[in-house]
Amino acid sequence: DVKVTQSSRYLVKRTGEKVFLECVQDMDHENMFWYRQDPGLGLRLIYFSYDVKMKEKGDIPEGYSVSREKKERFSLILESASTNQTSMYLCASSPILTDLGGKLFFGSGTQLSVL
Amino acid sequence: QKEVEQNSGPLSVPEGAIASLNCTYSDRGSQSFFWYRQYSGKSPELIMSIYSNGDKEDGRFTAQLNKASQYVSLLIRDSQPSDSATYLCAATKTSYDKVIFGPGTSLSVIP
Repeated sequence: DVKVTQSSRYLVKRTGEKVFLECVQDMDHENMFWYRQDPGLGLRLIYFSYDVKMKEKGDIPEGYSVSREKKERFSLILESASTNQTSMYLCASSPILTDLGGKLFFGSGTQLSVL
Repeated sequence: QKEVEQNSGPLSVPEGAIASLNCTYSDRGSQSFFWYRQYSGKSPELIMSIYSNGDKEDGRFTAQLNKASQYVSLLIRDSQPSDSATYLCAATKTSYDKVIFGPGTSLSVIP
């Protein structure tokens, strides 16, 4: 079974702190994604990566950055956390195969609260 | 205009009925379409994928795609209380592209 592991299930941070959210997948998938999920707004894409050291902005990249130094690991960084970044953060991975594009495997999520 | 749109619901159906969930997308370049199910407090999980026009059946689930109308649907036959969840429609252009989700439709199956 594909396993996508997010480092923390719950996280509480202070406004202005630099926050790192880590995600590791064990299936050698090329693509990795970071989404945030808020009530009424659904899943919104922050960043994605289709290869090591490659990154593409999603729909809401402002206030975030990412790092992918190894294929299995994709980190989301909140440079200076703000209260409007309180949310559920979901990491996902997917393989690059013709008929499997878009088949995402999600981690269990990190509920981040910024106080 | 959002790229992928769904009726937010909630949609309520009695046990044993057919639940019909709808989705429209705006980017004609989208090639692959997916339905994910998300139980409360859990992560989304893939239940159906469809790539060509027509119907695709898997057990009690049928996905339908009409690229000319930019419309995707999911039918759940013989709905069960365990089907109560939020259903997310998603679309992507290629395997190297972003995957965009709709806001989800909440389904409640009443025993």
